[in-house]
Amino acid sequence: AQSVTQPDIHITVSEGASLELRCNYSYGATPYLFWYVQSPGQGLQLLLKYFSGDTLVQGIKGFEAEFKRSQSSFNLRKPSVHWSDAAEYFCAVEHAGGTSYGKLTFGQGTILTVHP
Amino acid sequence: ETGVTQSPTHLIKTRGQQVTLRCSSQSGHNTVSWYQQALGQGPQFIFQYYREEENGRGNFPPRFSGLQFPNYSSELNVNALELDDSALYLCASSKDRGGDGYTFGSGTRLTVV
Repeated sequence: AQSVTQPDIHITVSEGASLELRCNYSYGATPYLFWYVQSPGQGLQLLLKYFSGDTLVQGIKGFEAEFKRSQSSFNLRKPSVHWSDAAEYFCAVEHAGGTSYGKLTFGQGTILTVHP
Repeated sequence: ETGVTQSPTHLIKTRGQQVTLRCSSQSGHNTVSWYQQALGQGPQFIFQYYREEENGRGNFPPRFSGLQFPNYSSELNVNALELDDSALYLCASSKDRGGDGYTFGSGTRLTVV
């Protein structure tokens, strides 16, 4: 079965420090991959997506992610974190075929805390 | 363009009752997906509607049902509410079942007591 693993439940960084959030997936074919951000009590905002092509994807708010097929990973990075980046981050894989076409499978999420 | 709108934002129901949640999709989108997000968890796929037909379903019992209307708005109905149904229910709209990505609403927080 398809699955998404975010190994880090909670990460704390200082403002201005770099950030990397890990995501590993298990999927039988080339997946469509997403990173979403969620502020407390809010819906999900799309940060970036990977469908095909260049494996380094640029997103909004200065985020980027790199698809590594050999490692089944899609890690999210930001070179310098701002206090407003504090939120929960979800990695997701989309099922691109079969009866589950269009279904997103999410990881458990990583809560990011930013210290001043 | 308008985004995805969900109503109500919060509600409290008693165990055994029925509830209807509503979602207006983003302009130009013909697909609506519903997700349940329990506290501290990632969203779980309930089902998807594409052009008024159910297009896929997650591991949820039949008491979770839905509709999509000609204007592509959607309803999620839950019968015989259980305490474990307490969650944030998220609606996401997209064009043609996925494709270019999903736009999520802010959700409906359902509390079952």
